[in-house]
Amino acid sequence: QMQLQESGPALVKPSETLSLTCTVSGGSISTTNYYWGWIRQSPGKGLEWIGSIYYSGTTYYTPSLKSRVTISVDTSKNEFSLNLRSLTAADTAVYYCGRHWANVVQGTTFSTTWFDPWGQGRLVTVSS
Amino acid sequence: EIVLTQSPATLSVSPGERATLSCRASQSISGNLAWYQQKPGQAPRLLIFGTSTRATGIPARFSGTRSGTEFTLTINGLQSEDFALYYCQQYHEWPPMHTFGQGTKLEMK
Repeated sequence: QMQLQESGPALVKPSETLSLTCTVSGGSISTTNYYWGWIRQSPGKGLEWIGSIYYSGTTYYTPSLKSRVTISVDTSKNEFSLNLRSLTAADTAVYYCGRHWANVVQGTTFSTTWFDPWGQGRLVTVSS
Repeated sequence: EIVLTQSPATLSVSPGERATLSCRASQSISGNLAWYQQKPGQAPRLLIFGTSTRATGIPARFSGTRSGTEFTLTINGLQSEDFALYYCQQYHEWPPMHTFGQGTKLEMK
């Protein structure tokens, strides 16, 4: 059974960079037709998709965060990571990682879908 | 960006009865909608994808339907473990722009 586990700091200062890692167990992150994504949940904004990555390194980001986000993958460690720069209090949230199926044909992605499974979540507070 | 509007915000239903939750999309998303259940302190759990296909292990009392841009999650014979938050998510847009509804809290009456 596949499991995802987020790790990283619980407290980060404003203007700094948040780095979170999602470790995948029970399956390979290099499996074709699966993307790996980050979603966050804050009281003010509900669930918000941040971005997703394929094992090949192809990424997609939500437009509102694109300028501050980088998602990367390390297939040798079976993990992927989130970097979110220039933090403010509005970035305080529970950060989840998740897997979603994608329609990928000959290296071209045509669609991505629902998230399953999800990690348990990591509460990150941005405060000085 | 496609906006999903869930209603009601809170739904009070007695155990054993039926709960009907709504999710309306701001434009056509075909059947590209999923439903999730979230309990306090837990991650969302996939219930339904493709409007009406139950995820592995999800009981048959959960069902999903669609009429145009209006999607409905129905839970028949509510069990105590069903009282939770429910979210819908669309995955129609390309490039991807996954959006979620704001959630419906299903509480025990």
